[in-house]
Amino acid sequence: QPVLTQPPSASASLGASVTLTCTLSSGYSNYKVDWYQKRPGKGPRFVMRVGTGGIVGSKGDGIPDRFSVLGSGLNRYLTIKNIQEEDESDYHCGADHGSGSNLVVFGGGTKLTVL
Amino acid sequence: QVQLVQSGAEVRKPGASVKVSCKASGYTFTSYFITWVRQAPGQGLEWMGWISAYNGNTNYAQNLQGRVTMTTDTSTSTAYMELRSLRSDDTAVYYCARVYCGGDCYPFDYWGQGTLVTVSS
Repeated sequence: QPVLTQPPSASASLGASVTLTCTLSSGYSNYKVDWYQKRPGKGPRFVMRVGTGGIVGSKGDGIPDRFSVLGSGLNRYLTIKNIQEEDESDYHCGADHGSGSNLVVFGGGTKLTVL
Repeated sequence: QVQLVQSGAEVRKPGASVKVSCKASGYTFTSYFITWVRQAPGQGLEWMGWISAYNGNTNYAQNLQGRVTMTTDTSTSTAYMELRSLRSDDTAVYYCARVYCGGDCYPFDYWGQGTLVTVSS
């Protein structure tokens, strides 16, 4: 199954932009990835699904237009523009291995700090 | 509105079992799967498996096979996750989430609030 790699941390100043990266292991460049936001004490929140062509389907409920995604090669990106304090969260990417094996894998998550 | 409400925190001794519930509302329960995901302290998310609320078919993560059982009660729109032979490394927050699976599966679009399970002697 694929391995998803995320840098453990990222930071950005209030009002700035940041791009978070989720990297698929070799051989899985056609895989779609789901981004989830995890705030302390709350359940995860679906953000968006991304493939090599960009967003797949719709954003999660209440996700602002400041959030966008791109996909290129083995990388799946989540960009947040005009960062707000409430964006400070852990961001996790996940991938469904497909209906054959029905296995879901997650990356280790990136902790985003708003400065 | 779609809601998944989980049962409260649990403390168990090593070797015991725990059963966590997840009550769904705001949608047709049997049209979706329920998946379970856990997060140990300081760790990432770990997928545990899922169950079709339509026919009860399950698929479990390989590392939990034999210790985990997922069930549903369609009369109350409630899903359950039972984990047996608990170890200290099962200490985690356990989440349920809704997922639609046709040929492929869609994202986990709504999540419960989480249930802390602590395994300690």
